[in-house]
Amino acid sequence: NAGVTQTPKFQVLKTGQSMTLQCAQDMNHEYMSWYRQDPGMGLRLIHYSVGAGITDQGEVPNGYNVSRSTTEDFPLRLLSAAPSQTSVYFCASRRGLADTQYFGPGTRLTVL
Amino acid sequence: KNEVEQSPQNLTAQEGEFITINCSYSVGISALHWLQQHPGGGIVSLFMLSSGKKKHGRLIATINIQEKHSSLHITASHPRDSAVYICAVMIPQTSGSRLTFGEGTQLTVNP
Repeated sequence: NAGVTQTPKFQVLKTGQSMTLQCAQDMNHEYMSWYRQDPGMGLRLIHYSVGAGITDQGEVPNGYNVSRSTTEDFPLRLLSAAPSQTSVYFCASRRGLADTQYFGPGTRLTVL
Repeated sequence: KNEVEQSPQNLTAQEGEFITINCSYSVGISALHWLQQHPGGGIVSLFMLSSGKKKHGRLIATINIQEKHSSLHITASHPRDSAVYICAVMIPQTSGSRLTFGEGTQLTVNP
Protein backbone atom coordinates (compact mmCIF):
# COMPACT_ATOMS: atom_id res chain seq x y z
CA ASN A 1 0.00 0.00 0.00
CA ALA A 2 1.18 3.53 -0.75
CA GLY A 3 -0.67 4.84 2.31
CA VAL A 4 -1.53 8.55 2.11
CA THR A 5 -0.02 10.41 -0.82
CA GLN A 6 0.03 14.16 -1.43
CA THR A 7 0.99 16.21 -4.46
CA PRO A 8 2.72 18.49 -5.04
CA LYS A 9 5.48 18.40 -2.43
CA PHE A 10 6.32 22.09 -2.90
CA GLN A 11 4.38 24.93 -4.52
CA VAL A 12 4.88 28.67 -4.92
CA LEU A 13 1.85 30.80 -5.83
CA LYS A 14 1.23 34.46 -6.38
CA THR A 15 -1.49 36.24 -4.43
CA GLY A 16 -4.85 35.66 -6.09
CA GLN A 17 -3.93 32.45 -7.90
CA SER A 18 -5.94 29.29 -7.33
CA MET A 19 -4.73 25.74 -7.02
CA THR A 20 -5.67 22.29 -5.79
CA LEU A 21 -3.65 20.20 -3.36
CA GLN A 22 -4.18 16.54 -4.06
CA CYS A 23 -4.57 13.83 -1.43
CA ALA A 24 -5.23 10.14 -1.97
CA GLN A 25 -5.26 7.06 0.22
CA ASP A 26 -5.45 3.39 -0.72
CA MET A 27 -6.44 1.98 2.67
CA ASN A 28 -10.21 2.32 2.17
CA HIS A 29 -10.41 4.73 5.09
CA GLU A 30 -13.66 6.58 5.65
CA TYR A 31 -12.22 9.54 7.58
CA MET A 32 -9.97 12.06 5.85
CA SER A 33 -8.74 15.43 7.05
CA TRP A 34 -6.69 18.41 5.96
CA TYR A 35 -4.44 20.24 8.43
CA ARG A 36 -2.11 23.19 8.22
CA GLN A 37 1.02 23.53 10.32
CA ASP A 38 2.48 26.92 11.12
CA PRO A 39 5.53 27.83 13.25
CA GLY A 40 4.67 28.17 16.95
CA MET A 41 1.23 26.62 16.48
CA GLY A 42 -0.04 23.10 16.57
CA LEU A 43 -1.59 21.42 13.58
CA ARG A 44 -4.97 22.99 12.84
CA LEU A 45 -7.89 21.28 11.13
CA ILE A 46 -9.08 22.93 7.91
CA HIS A 47 -11.76 20.54 6.61
CA TYR A 48 -12.62 16.93 7.14
CA SER A 49 -14.75 14.18 5.65
CA VAL A 50 -16.41 11.19 7.27
CA GLY A 51 -17.10 9.44 3.99
CA ALA A 52 -17.66 9.94 0.27
CA GLY A 53 -20.05 12.81 -0.36
CA ILE A 54 -19.76 14.18 3.20
CA THR A 55 -17.51 17.08 4.20
CA ASP A 56 -17.46 19.53 7.08
CA GLN A 57 -15.51 22.53 8.27
CA GLY A 58 -12.75 22.38 10.82
CA GLU A 59 -11.10 25.09 12.87
CA VAL A 60 -9.71 27.26 10.02
CA PRO A 61 -11.83 26.67 6.88
CA ASN A 62 -11.90 30.18 5.38
CA GLY A 63 -10.30 30.41 1.94
CA TYR A 64 -10.40 26.65 1.34
CA ASN A 65 -12.86 24.27 -0.31
CA VAL A 66 -12.96 20.49 -0.33
CA SER A 67 -14.94 17.73 -1.98
CA ARG A 68 -15.07 13.97 -1.51
CA SER A 69 -16.46 12.31 -4.61
CA THR A 70 -14.67 9.01 -3.92
CA THR A 71 -13.42 7.23 -0.81
CA GLU A 72 -9.83 7.49 -2.06
CA ASP A 73 -9.48 11.19 -2.92
CA PHE A 74 -9.86 14.35 -0.86
CA PRO A 75 -8.55 17.43 -2.74
CA LEU A 76 -8.12 20.81 -1.06
CA ARG A 77 -8.77 23.89 -3.18
CA LEU A 78 -7.41 27.35 -2.58
CA LEU A 79 -9.75 29.69 -4.41
CA SER A 80 -7.68 32.89 -4.27
CA ALA A 81 -4.37 32.40 -2.52
CA ALA A 82 -3.25 34.87 0.15
CA PRO A 83 0.13 35.22 1.91
CA SER A 84 -1.60 34.11 5.14
CA GLN A 85 -2.05 30.70 3.53
CA THR A 86 1.70 30.14 3.39
CA SER A 87 2.05 26.97 5.43
CA VAL A 88 2.74 23.26 5.37
CA TYR A 89 -0.38 21.25 4.58
CA PHE A 90 -0.94 17.69 5.74
CA CYS A 91 -3.62 15.29 4.64
CA ALA A 92 -4.51 12.41 6.97
CA SER A 93 -6.83 9.44 6.97
CA ARG A 94 -8.12 6.84 9.42
CA ARG A 95 -10.51 3.93 9.30
CA GLY A 96 -12.73 5.04 12.16
CA LEU A 97 -12.96 7.58 14.96
CA ALA A 98 -11.03 5.35 17.37
CA ASP A 99 -8.32 4.32 14.93
CA THR A 100 -4.77 5.43 14.24
CA GLN A 101 -4.44 8.42 11.92
CA TYR A 102 -2.05 8.15 8.98
CA PHE A 103 -0.47 11.31 7.61
CA GLY A 104 0.70 12.17 4.13
CA PRO A 105 4.20 13.61 3.58
CA GLY A 106 2.98 17.20 3.44
CA THR A 107 2.88 20.03 0.89
CA ARG A 108 4.94 23.14 1.55
CA LEU A 109 3.05 26.11 0.06
CA THR A 110 4.41 29.62 -0.27
CA VAL A 111 2.16 32.47 -1.38
CA LEU A 112 4.00 35.59 -2.51
CA LYS B 1 -5.30 29.13 26.75
CA ASN B 2 -4.68 26.16 24.48
CA GLU B 3 -6.71 23.05 25.16
CA VAL B 4 -3.49 21.00 24.92
CA GLU B 5 -0.25 22.09 26.55
CA GLN B 6 3.07 20.30 26.17
CA SER B 7 6.24 20.65 28.20
CA PRO B 8 9.02 21.22 27.71
CA GLN B 9 8.96 23.06 24.37
CA ASN B 10 12.58 22.10 23.73
CA LEU B 11 14.63 19.31 25.24
CA THR B 12 18.28 18.41 24.72
CA ALA B 13 19.64 15.13 26.05
CA GLN B 14 22.73 13.00 25.86
CA GLU B 15 22.57 9.61 24.24
CA GLY B 16 21.42 6.99 26.74
CA GLU B 17 19.39 9.35 28.93
CA PHE B 18 15.81 8.67 30.02
CA ILE B 19 13.48 11.27 28.53
CA THR B 20 10.01 12.43 29.60
CA ILE B 21 7.70 14.68 27.62
CA ASN B 22 4.50 15.86 29.26
CA CYS B 23 1.06 16.68 27.90
CA SER B 24 -1.79 18.30 29.83
CA TYR B 25 -5.27 18.97 28.49
CA SER B 26 -8.23 20.90 29.80
CA VAL B 27 -11.24 19.22 28.19
CA GLY B 28 -12.94 15.85 28.25
CA ILE B 29 -11.42 13.51 25.69
CA SER B 30 -12.11 10.09 24.21
CA ALA B 31 -8.47 9.33 23.32
CA LEU B 32 -4.98 10.82 23.27
CA HIS B 33 -2.40 10.43 20.53
CA TRP B 34 1.36 10.79 20.55
CA LEU B 35 2.91 11.59 17.18
CA GLN B 36 6.48 11.92 15.97
CA GLN B 37 7.48 14.41 13.30
CA HIS B 38 10.81 13.68 11.69
CA PRO B 39 13.24 16.42 10.65
CA GLY B 40 12.15 15.84 7.05
CA GLY B 41 8.56 16.72 8.01
CA GLY B 42 6.77 13.36 7.93
CA ILE B 43 4.36 12.63 10.80
CA VAL B 44 4.01 9.16 12.28
CA SER B 45 1.53 8.01 14.88
CA LEU B 46 3.30 6.44 17.88
CA PHE B 47 0.48 5.69 20.30
CA MET B 48 -3.22 6.08 20.74
CA LEU B 49 -4.45 5.53 24.28
CA SER B 50 -7.53 6.16 26.36
CA SER B 51 -6.35 4.69 29.66
CA GLY B 52 -3.35 3.20 31.41
CA LYS B 53 -0.07 2.60 29.65
CA LYS B 54 1.29 1.39 26.32
CA LYS B 55 4.81 0.31 25.41
CA HIS B 56 6.48 -0.08 22.04
CA GLY B 57 10.18 -0.81 22.06
CA ARG B 58 11.91 1.98 23.99
CA LEU B 59 8.82 4.17 24.01
CA ILE B 60 6.26 4.19 26.81
CA ALA B 61 3.11 6.31 26.93
CA THR B 62 0.95 6.76 30.00
CA ILE B 63 -2.27 8.61 30.62
CA ASN B 64 -4.09 9.68 33.79
CA ILE B 65 -7.63 10.55 32.83
CA GLN B 66 -8.54 12.00 36.24
CA GLU B 67 -5.56 14.37 36.18
CA LYS B 68 -5.93 15.10 32.45
CA HIS B 69 -2.27 14.34 31.90
CA SER B 70 -0.16 12.09 29.71
CA SER B 71 3.56 11.41 29.50
CA LEU B 72 5.76 10.00 26.77
CA HIS B 73 8.94 8.33 27.98
CA ILE B 74 11.93 7.30 25.90
CA THR B 75 14.38 4.91 27.52
CA ALA B 76 18.03 4.69 26.44
CA SER B 77 17.63 7.63 24.07
CA HIS B 78 19.49 7.66 20.76
CA PRO B 79 20.32 10.44 18.28
CA ARG B 80 17.78 8.92 15.85
CA ASP B 81 15.07 9.79 18.42
CA SER B 82 15.68 13.47 17.60
CA ALA B 83 12.35 14.77 16.32
CA VAL B 84 9.32 16.82 17.30
CA TYR B 85 6.89 14.91 19.52
CA ILE B 86 3.28 16.03 19.32
CA CYS B 87 0.43 15.30 21.71
CA ALA B 88 -3.10 15.39 20.31
CA VAL B 89 -6.44 14.78 22.01
CA MET B 90 -9.66 13.50 20.51
CA ILE B 91 -12.53 15.70 21.73
CA PRO B 92 -16.05 14.29 21.33
CA GLN B 93 -18.50 16.58 19.55
CA THR B 94 -22.16 16.43 18.58
CA SER B 95 -21.19 15.26 15.09
CA GLY B 96 -18.18 13.00 15.47
CA SER B 97 -15.03 14.16 17.21
CA ARG B 98 -12.09 16.46 16.50
CA LEU B 99 -8.36 16.17 17.08
CA THR B 100 -6.67 19.11 18.79
CA PHE B 101 -2.89 19.26 18.78
CA GLY B 102 -0.25 20.58 21.13
CA GLU B 103 2.54 22.74 19.73
CA GLY B 104 5.05 19.92 20.00
CA THR B 105 8.27 19.26 21.88
CA GLN B 106 11.52 19.51 19.95
CA LEU B 107 13.83 16.74 21.18
CA THR B 108 17.53 16.70 20.33
CA VAL B 109 19.63 13.74 21.45
CA ASN B 110 23.36 14.31 21.17
CA PRO B 111 25.83 11.43 20.74
